Amino acid sequence: EPEVTQTPSHQVTQMGQEVILRCVPISNHLYFYWYRQILGQKVEFLVSFYNNEISEKSEIFDDQFSVERPDGSNFTLKIRSTKLEDSAMYFCARASPLSGNTIYFGEGSWLTVV
Amino acid sequence: SQQGEEDPQALSIQEGENATMNCSYKTSINNLQWYRQNSGRGLVHLILIRSNEREKHSGRLRVTLDTSKKSSSLLITASRAADTASYFCATDASRADKLIFGTGTRLQVFP
Repeated sequence: EPEVTQTPSHQVTQMGQEVILRCVPISNHLYFYWYRQILGQKVEFLVSFYNNEISEKSEIFDDQFSVERPDGSNFTLKIRSTKLEDSAMYFCARASPLSGNTIYFGEGSWLTVV
Repeated sequence: SQQGEEDPQALSIQEGENATMNCSYKTSINNLQWYRQNSGRGLVHLILIRSNEREKHSGRLRVTLDTSKKSSSLLITASRAADTASYFCATDASRADKLIFGTGTRLQVFP
Protein backbone atom coordinates (compact mmCIF):
# COMPACT_ATOMS: atom_id res chain seq x y z
CA GLU A 1 0.00 0.00 0.00
CA PRO A 2 1.24 3.51 -0.73
CA GLU A 3 2.79 5.54 2.02
CA VAL A 4 1.36 8.84 3.14
CA THR A 5 2.67 11.93 1.35
CA GLN A 6 3.13 15.08 3.38
CA THR A 7 3.86 18.66 2.46
CA PRO A 8 5.89 20.69 3.14
CA SER A 9 8.85 18.54 4.07
CA HIS A 10 10.33 21.44 6.00
CA GLN A 11 8.96 24.79 7.05
CA VAL A 12 10.51 27.62 8.99
CA THR A 13 8.11 30.09 10.50
CA GLN A 14 8.22 33.10 12.74
CA MET A 15 6.84 32.76 16.24
CA GLY A 16 3.19 33.78 16.31
CA GLN A 17 2.53 32.83 12.71
CA GLU A 18 0.02 30.23 11.56
CA VAL A 19 1.18 27.04 9.87
CA ILE A 20 -0.74 24.51 7.81
CA LEU A 21 0.68 21.05 7.26
CA ARG A 22 -0.88 18.76 4.67
CA CYS A 23 -1.37 15.09 3.81
CA VAL A 24 -2.06 14.16 0.22
CA PRO A 25 -5.44 12.45 0.07
CA ILE A 26 -5.90 8.75 -0.56
CA SER A 27 -9.54 8.07 -1.30
CA ASN A 28 -9.95 4.71 0.39
CA HIS A 29 -8.39 5.73 3.67
CA LEU A 30 -10.79 6.31 6.49
CA TYR A 31 -8.58 6.91 9.50
CA PHE A 32 -6.10 9.74 9.71
CA TYR A 33 -3.80 10.76 12.49
CA TRP A 34 -1.35 13.45 13.40
CA TYR A 35 1.63 12.73 15.60
CA ARG A 36 4.59 14.84 16.48
CA GLN A 37 8.13 14.18 17.55
CA ILE A 38 10.18 16.85 19.25
CA LEU A 39 13.85 16.42 18.40
CA GLY A 40 15.32 13.56 20.37
CA GLN A 41 12.07 12.64 22.04
CA LYS A 42 9.39 10.03 21.56
CA VAL A 43 6.60 10.16 19.04
CA GLU A 44 3.47 11.67 20.60
CA PHE A 45 -0.13 11.23 19.52
CA LEU A 46 -1.98 14.44 18.71
CA VAL A 47 -5.32 13.56 17.13
CA SER A 48 -7.22 10.90 15.24
CA PHE A 49 -9.76 11.71 12.56
CA TYR A 50 -12.42 9.37 11.28
CA ASN A 51 -15.32 9.99 8.95
CA ASN A 52 -14.50 13.70 8.84
CA GLU A 53 -14.62 14.09 12.59
CA ILE A 54 -12.11 14.08 15.40
CA SER A 55 -12.42 10.73 17.16
CA GLU A 56 -9.79 11.30 19.82
CA LYS A 57 -7.29 13.95 20.78
CA SER A 58 -4.50 14.23 23.29
CA GLU A 59 -3.83 16.88 25.90
CA ILE A 60 -1.31 18.40 23.53
CA PHE A 61 -4.02 19.05 20.97
CA ASP A 62 -5.43 22.21 22.51
CA ASP A 63 -7.20 25.18 20.94
CA GLN A 64 -4.03 26.11 19.13
CA PHE A 65 -4.47 23.12 16.87
CA SER A 66 -7.17 22.13 14.41
CA VAL A 67 -7.60 19.50 11.73
CA GLU A 68 -9.88 19.28 8.76
CA ARG A 69 -10.41 17.48 5.51
CA PRO A 70 -12.42 19.95 3.50
CA ASP A 71 -14.44 18.37 0.69
CA GLY A 72 -12.43 15.17 0.87
CA SER A 73 -9.26 16.99 -0.14
CA ASN A 74 -6.01 17.29 1.78
CA PHE A 75 -6.04 16.32 5.43
CA THR A 76 -4.55 19.30 7.20
CA LEU A 77 -3.17 20.25 10.57
CA LYS A 78 -3.33 23.92 11.37
CA ILE A 79 -1.21 25.37 14.15
CA ARG A 80 -2.17 28.87 15.13
CA SER A 81 0.08 31.39 16.81
CA THR A 82 3.11 29.11 16.77
CA LYS A 83 5.48 28.98 19.71
CA LEU A 84 9.12 27.98 19.86
CA GLU A 85 8.17 24.74 21.55
CA ASP A 86 6.02 23.77 18.57
CA SER A 87 9.24 23.06 16.68
CA ALA A 88 9.05 19.36 15.89
CA MET A 89 8.55 16.77 13.20
CA TYR A 90 4.86 16.36 12.49
CA PHE A 91 3.75 13.03 11.08
CA CYS A 92 0.55 12.31 9.28
CA ALA A 93 -0.55 8.70 9.44
CA ARG A 94 -3.36 6.68 8.01
CA ALA A 95 -5.09 3.37 8.33
CA SER A 96 -7.69 1.63 6.25
CA PRO A 97 -9.87 -1.42 6.67
CA LEU A 98 -7.57 -3.22 4.25
CA SER A 99 -4.56 -2.72 6.51
CA GLY A 100 -6.24 -3.96 9.66
CA ASN A 101 -4.79 -2.10 12.59
CA THR A 102 -1.55 -1.25 10.87
CA ILE A 103 -0.91 2.48 10.87
CA TYR A 104 1.33 3.85 8.13
CA PHE A 105 3.23 7.06 8.57
CA GLY A 106 4.39 9.72 6.19
CA GLU A 107 7.91 11.09 5.96
CA GLY A 108 6.94 13.96 8.20
CA SER A 109 7.05 17.73 8.05
CA TRP A 110 9.81 19.45 9.93
CA LEU A 111 8.54 22.60 11.55
CA THR A 112 11.04 25.08 12.89
CA VAL A 113 9.68 28.06 14.79
CA VAL A 114 12.13 30.93 15.17
CA SER B 1 6.75 5.49 33.85
CA GLN B 2 5.02 5.48 30.52
CA GLN B 3 3.37 2.97 28.23
CA GLY B 4 5.95 1.52 25.92
CA GLU B 5 9.48 1.59 27.20
CA GLU B 6 12.25 0.06 25.16
CA ASP B 7 15.53 -1.22 26.35
CA PRO B 8 18.30 -0.88 25.79
CA GLN B 9 18.22 2.80 24.92
CA ALA B 10 21.21 2.30 22.69
CA LEU B 11 22.83 -0.77 21.19
CA SER B 12 26.05 -1.06 19.18
CA ILE B 13 26.94 -4.26 17.38
CA GLN B 14 29.05 -5.53 14.52
CA GLU B 15 27.62 -6.48 11.19
CA GLY B 16 26.48 -10.08 11.18
CA GLU B 17 25.55 -10.11 14.83
CA ASN B 18 22.00 -10.33 16.10
CA ALA B 19 20.30 -7.37 17.74
CA THR B 20 17.60 -7.78 20.36
CA MET B 21 15.45 -4.93 21.55
CA ASN B 22 12.82 -5.16 24.23
CA CYS B 23 9.65 -3.25 24.89
CA SER B 24 7.49 -3.19 27.99
CA TYR B 25 4.05 -1.71 28.36
CA LYS B 26 1.54 -1.25 31.12
CA THR B 27 -2.05 -1.54 29.91
CA SER B 28 -3.92 -4.21 27.98
CA ILE B 29 -3.45 -4.01 24.25
CA ASN B 30 -5.09 -5.15 21.06
CA ASN B 31 -1.82 -5.29 19.19
CA LEU B 32 1.75 -4.09 19.26
CA GLN B 33 3.64 -2.65 16.34
CA TRP B 34 7.34 -2.09 15.71
CA TYR B 35 8.60 0.81 13.67
CA ARG B 36 11.96 1.90 12.42
CA GLN B 37 13.15 5.46 12.00
CA ASN B 38 16.27 6.60 10.26
CA SER B 39 17.63 9.86 11.59
CA GLY B 40 15.37 12.75 10.63
CA ARG B 41 13.11 10.54 8.56
CA GLY B 42 9.67 9.04 8.80
CA LEU B 43 8.47 5.98 10.66
CA VAL B 44 8.59 2.79 8.68
CA HIS B 45 6.23 0.07 9.77
CA LEU B 46 8.03 -3.23 10.37
CA ILE B 47 5.62 -5.67 11.89
CA LEU B 48 2.36 -5.91 13.80
CA ILE B 49 1.69 -8.63 16.32
CA ARG B 50 -1.76 -9.16 17.75
CA SER B 51 -2.46 -9.79 21.41
CA ASN B 52 -3.40 -13.41 20.70
CA GLU B 53 -0.13 -14.08 18.87
CA ARG B 54 3.11 -15.06 20.55
CA GLU B 55 5.62 -14.84 17.74
CA LYS B 56 5.82 -13.44 14.27
CA HIS B 57 8.49 -13.43 11.58
CA SER B 58 9.20 -11.16 8.68
CA GLY B 59 12.44 -11.75 6.81
CA ARG B 60 15.28 -11.18 9.27
CA LEU B 61 12.88 -9.85 11.89
CA ARG B 62 11.38 -11.89 14.67
CA VAL B 63 8.95 -10.39 17.13
CA THR B 64 7.68 -12.03 20.27
CA LEU B 65 4.88 -10.94 22.55
CA ASP B 66 4.29 -12.02 26.12
CA THR B 67 1.03 -10.50 27.30
CA SER B 68 1.42 -11.97 30.77
CA LYS B 69 4.62 -9.98 31.21
CA LYS B 70 3.41 -7.10 29.06
CA SER B 71 6.55 -7.22 27.00
CA SER B 72 7.70 -7.71 23.44
CA SER B 73 11.04 -8.22 21.79
CA LEU B 74 12.34 -7.47 18.33
CA LEU B 75 15.19 -9.59 17.07
CA ILE B 76 17.11 -8.62 13.95
CA THR B 77 19.27 -11.48 12.76
CA ALA B 78 22.45 -11.16 10.74
CA SER B 79 22.44 -7.40 11.11
CA ARG B 80 23.70 -5.07 8.39
CA ALA B 81 25.05 -1.55 8.51
CA ALA B 82 21.83 -0.45 6.80
CA ASP B 83 19.90 -1.60 9.88
CA THR B 84 21.34 1.35 11.77
CA ALA B 85 18.30 3.31 12.95
CA SER B 86 16.04 3.89 15.93
CA TYR B 87 13.45 1.24 16.63
CA PHE B 88 10.18 1.95 18.39
CA CYS B 89 7.43 -0.19 19.74
CA ALA B 90 3.91 1.20 19.73
CA THR B 91 0.83 -0.11 21.41
CA ASP B 92 -2.83 0.65 21.03
CA ALA B 93 -4.44 0.57 24.42
CA SER B 94 -8.12 -0.27 24.55
CA ARG B 95 -8.88 1.70 21.44
CA ALA B 96 -7.36 1.44 18.01
CA ASP B 97 -7.61 5.18 17.49
CA LYS B 98 -4.12 5.95 18.63
CA LEU B 99 -0.72 4.44 19.19
CA ILE B 100 1.43 5.04 22.23
CA PHE B 101 5.09 4.97 21.34
CA GLY B 102 8.00 3.94 23.43
CA THR B 103 11.19 5.87 23.84
CA GLY B 104 13.02 3.83 21.24
CA THR B 105 16.28 1.93 20.92
CA ARG B 106 19.06 3.48 18.87
CA LEU B 107 20.80 0.68 17.01
CA GLN B 108 24.23 1.21 15.52
CA VAL B 109 25.60 -1.55 13.31
CA PHE B 110 29.27 -1.21 12.48
CA PRO B 111 30.55 -2.67 9.20
